[in-house]
Amino acid sequence: SYVLTQPPSVSVAPGKTATITCEGNNIGSKSVHWYQQKPGQAPVLVIYYDTDRPSGIPERFSGSNSGNTATLTISRVEAGDEGDYFCQVWDSSSDPNWVFGGGTKLTV
Amino acid sequence: VQLVESGGGLVQPGGSLKLSCAASGFTFSDSEIHWVRQASGKGLEWVGHIRSKGNSHATAYAASVKGKFTISRDDSKSTAYLQMTSLQTEDTAVYYCVRLVVPQGAFDIWGQGTMVTVSS
Repeated sequence: SYVLTQPPSVSVAPGKTATITCEGNNIGSKSVHWYQQKPGQAPVLVIYYDTDRPSGIPERFSGSNSGNTATLTISRVEAGDEGDYFCQVWDSSSDPNWVFGGGTKLTV
Repeated sequence: VQLVESGGGLVQPGGSLKLSCAASGFTFSDSEIHWVRQASGKGLEWVGHIRSKGNSHATAYAASVKGKFTISRDDSKSTAYLQMTSLQTEDTAVYYCVRLVVPQGAFDIWGQGTMVTVSS
């Protein structure tokens, strides 16, 4: 099965920029989606198709994807951004087809 | 636009439980519904899915639940179901139902989750 690797944790000071990576073999050829999960809540989609933001997600959230690494960038980080972030892809040759990264805990 | 799960609870090892996922605010019959679970303090695990009527309500499951779990749907009630049998302690998790519009797309709508605890 396809494997997505994320750092377990990232720490950032308020107002700074947080970068969360998601590594996978040739992930740049796939569409990557990112989810934010706050304690006790369901995940929320924050980036889809590598770079797109759903309605209601601040412009501070952005994504990129190239080579073997996809990246979620959060600019001007706020205390409310704290939580777990998961990347996810669909891989037609993997079993299962839908794969999640292990998640990264963002501490502000 | 929402999904609401119900039916979670405490069940003994070897027992069964059926979860429901009620949809509103979108055309349920055209949507593919997935189940994703999350053990306490752990990551997200894809469990299985059921496709729309146009795709013959096809289903697929993760290897860890194949043969134990069955996903079904009633489009007239805008509801999907997850029938779980032969439950073991490792099935203890919060179970989310999720909408997917296209296979390579994102899970754009998540339910609030329902807790399933397998314990004697």
